[in-house]
Amino acid sequence: QSTLTQPASVSGSPGQSITISCTGTSSDVGGYDYVSWYQHHPGRAPKLMIYDVNRRPSGVSNRFSGSKSGNTASLTISALQAEDEADYYCSSYTKSNTLDVIFGGGTKLTVL
Amino acid sequence: EVQLVESGGGLVQPGGSLRLSCAASGFSLGGYWMYWVRHAPGKGLVWISRINTYGSITDYADSVKGRFTISRDNANNTLYLQMNSLRAEDTAVYYCARDYCSGGTCYYADYWGLGTRVTVSS
Repeated sequence: QSTLTQPASVSGSPGQSITISCTGTSSDVGGYDYVSWYQHHPGRAPKLMIYDVNRRPSGVSNRFSGSKSGNTASLTISALQAEDEADYYCSSYTKSNTLDVIFGGGTKLTVL
Repeated sequence: EVQLVESGGGLVQPGGSLRLSCAASGFSLGGYWMYWVRHAPGKGLVWISRINTYGSITDYADSVKGRFTISRDNANNTLYLQMNSLRAEDTAVYYCARDYCSGGTCYYADYWGLGTRVTVSS
């Protein structure tokens, strides 16, 4: 089963904005709005940051936003803070697999 | 407060079996679809299994199909993952997670446990 394509790493300085891309196909990201993003600090439970492409769960900072264009979804983090340093994973519904959800390969965000 | 606590991980030889448990509290497990997700060393998160509220619908990633079985005991608020014929590549931290939507699946998870580590090695 293939994964969605994310950059291995991104970096930014405190106060800056960064964007993480997540590229799939028309069978997943491009065809449906079931795109979500998770933040994962090592040793901690993953945390849902964005769902349905651009919705934030209660309690998630509005510095986190999501969008989608064609087969590519994006997570933007504005006003970067040191605590944002973590791994970020996109996920999407897919019609291609029996288990119809897949993750991206993950992106390591470094706050310089 | 919603909590998920995994247990049952450990060191097992290739070909062996383990049964993971996920104790849920702060909500009624029977109202939610549930997932198992794993994170292998140096790799990304992978959805490996999902079960509906009644336990009548189960889905698996190709990598574990036929070897792993997901089940649930709603009366005791516990989710399980029976893992048989374990391989070195099954070495990972295993997380249980709750589907965001009540009664159905929204294809994402809002609450996660801290995970339990499984090491398959001789």
